[in-house]
Amino acid sequence: SQKIEQNSEALNIQEGKTATLTCNYTNYSPAYLQWYRQDPGRGPVFLLLIRENEKEKRKERLKVTFDTTLKQSLFHITASQPADSATYLCALGTGGFKTIFGAGTRLFVKA
Amino acid sequence: DTGVSQDPRHKITKRGQNVTFRCDPISEHNRLYWYRQTLGQGPEFLTYFQNEAQLEKSRLLSDRFSAERPKGSFSTLEIQRTEQGDSAMYLCASSPKGFVQYFGPGTRLTVT
Repeated sequence: SQKIEQNSEALNIQEGKTATLTCNYTNYSPAYLQWYRQDPGRGPVFLLLIRENEKEKRKERLKVTFDTTLKQSLFHITASQPADSATYLCALGTGGFKTIFGAGTRLFVKA
Repeated sequence: DTGVSQDPRHKITKRGQNVTFRCDPISEHNRLYWYRQTLGQGPEFLTYFQNEAQLEKSRLLSDRFSAERPKGSFSTLEIQRTEQGDSAMYLCASSPKGFVQYFGPGTRLTVT
């Protein structure tokens, strides 16, 4: 069956370190993959999109990699700050209009 | 541009009652999505509109759920005969052409 897996356990890191979040998927052939941030009680906010023919995408302190052979995306936040504490959602699109979201990983950055 | 808005933000209802939620997308976004999200889970796709046409509806949606988008502007999601299992956050998102979705703040439904 189709599945998207993100670390269910929260990730705790120290301020200034690099946070790395993982998104694995099975039985999908996504045309693109997105990462969203969600704060408690709010809707998700788009961060980055990477297409199947791209290996890496960067935006300020954020970096996303996409390995269609491993069926995995890694999301990095460098020089992390307490304000980066949130839930980060991975989302797959198959090229149509439907987007499938993972359950998200909670990130806590300690000062 | 004020973003996607949803109304109400919170709704408490008794089991068996009908509820209706409204979503106002970003103007000129022709794509509109509804999702349901429960605690600890990601948004779960419910339905999709392109302009006024409902192009897909999740099989997870029972006959008690219906959505409309008259004139391709705002959208409503109605749940009839609510059940406790319907308690969740209902999220609306809109999108111009492309894949990025802009989410509203959500409507939190509690069925007692």
